[in-house]
Amino acid sequence: AQSVTQPDIHITVSEGASLELRCNYSYGATPYLFWYVQSPGQGLQLLLKYFSGDTLVQGIKGFEAEFKRSQSSFNLRKPSVHWSDAAEYFCAVGAGNSGGYQKVTFGTGTKLQVIP
Amino acid sequence: AAGVIQSPRHLIKEKRETATLKCYPIPRHDTVYWYQQGPGQDPQFLISFYEKMQSDKGSIPDRFSAQQFSDYHSELNMSSLELGDSALYFCASSSGPLQYFGPGTRLTVL
Repeated sequence: AQSVTQPDIHITVSEGASLELRCNYSYGATPYLFWYVQSPGQGLQLLLKYFSGDTLVQGIKGFEAEFKRSQSSFNLRKPSVHWSDAAEYFCAVGAGNSGGYQKVTFGTGTKLQVIP
Repeated sequence: AAGVIQSPRHLIKEKRETATLKCYPIPRHDTVYWYQQGPGQDPQFLISFYEKMQSDKGSIPDRFSAQQFSDYHSELNMSSLELGDSALYFCASSSGPLQYFGPGTRLTVL
């Protein structure tokens, strides 16, 4: 069964500083990997995804993530954080099968606080 | 572009009552998934349907049931509601590896 670990429960960064959110996954085959962002009481917005190919993926809002198979990691980065980035970030891994079905397993989330 | 539609967006029920949540997937998506997100928790997979057949089951209580209809919309039926069922319930749909999430239904059990 697949699993996701987000070791940082809370992170606080200053506005304009760089950001890296860590994510490690466990899955027997090549995973589908995702980062979602959720503001309080809101739905899940997809930031970016990795299925195959280039291991550095670009997402929305200036986010990027790098898939490192050797480290089983898919860390999320942003060079300069804006106050509006304060939210909770979920890393997720998907499992596929021949029928196209995929179950997504989420990490426990990292709450990002941005200070002036 | 059309998105996943969930109704109702908010629902308040008493303990031991029944609730039905509806999900309308993106057109031509053949798979629907249900997730439950408790307060301060990550979303947990409940159940999924592929071409109207149950394709997988997660941590869904026996008091809950779900189905996908011929028009591909899905309903999650929840009976004998408990306080602990208060959560945000997400539906997602897909036609491939990427799931598109709906805005969620917030269920409050009093």
